[in-house]
Amino acid sequence: AQSVSQHNHHVILSEAASLELGCNYSYGGTVNLFWYVQYPGQHLQLLLKYFSGDPLVKGIKGFEAEFIKSKFSFNLRKPSVQWSDTAEYFCAVSRGGSQGNLIFGKGTKLSVKP
Amino acid sequence: EPEVTQTPSHQVTQMGQEVILRCVPISNHLYFYWYRQILGQKVEFLVSFYNNEISEKSEIFDDQFSVERPDGSNFTLKIRSTKLEDSAMYFCASAWDRSSEETQYFGPGTRLLVL
Repeated sequence: AQSVSQHNHHVILSEAASLELGCNYSYGGTVNLFWYVQYPGQHLQLLLKYFSGDPLVKGIKGFEAEFIKSKFSFNLRKPSVQWSDTAEYFCAVSRGGSQGNLIFGKGTKLSVKP
Repeated sequence: EPEVTQTPSHQVTQMGQEVILRCVPISNHLYFYWYRQILGQKVEFLVSFYNNEISEKSEIFDDQFSVERPDGSNFTLKIRSTKLEDSAMYFCASAWDRSSEETQYFGPGTRLLVL
């Protein structure tokens, strides 16, 4: 069965540190990949997505992610985090050609110390 | 910016009771979804809905669950006879298209507690 793994449960960083959150998925076919963010008290919102083309995708708020097909990975990065990036980050996958049902990872909580 | 809204934000119910969770999707969206997240676990897909019918459902979505679009704006999830294990955060989402590339917009969730 398809699954998504996020390796880090909770990441704590100081402001200006660089961020990389890991995401791996298990599915051999075409996939579409998403990163969602949930700020405290708010709803899930899309950070970025990949479905074709350049495997390095840029999203909102300075985030980017790289799709590495050979590694089944879609890691999220940001060169310099801010306190306002404190949130929970979810990686999600949908199967290409499907009706869009998302399969989520367990989420990574990011705490940024001012 | 248009948003998906959900009511109530919290609901406490007794085991065996029926609950209806409500969602108002973004107005020009055509595809609707319910997901749930049990505390400490992953967000899980429950059901997708288009053109007044279920498009796809997961094995979680058994006969106790039903969905409806009773009018042009609301999208509801009914749990007929709640069980303790139905306690979770329930998220509604909507999308313009059902393509797997399409962005789904999520509501803030309803936290359901079954006692």
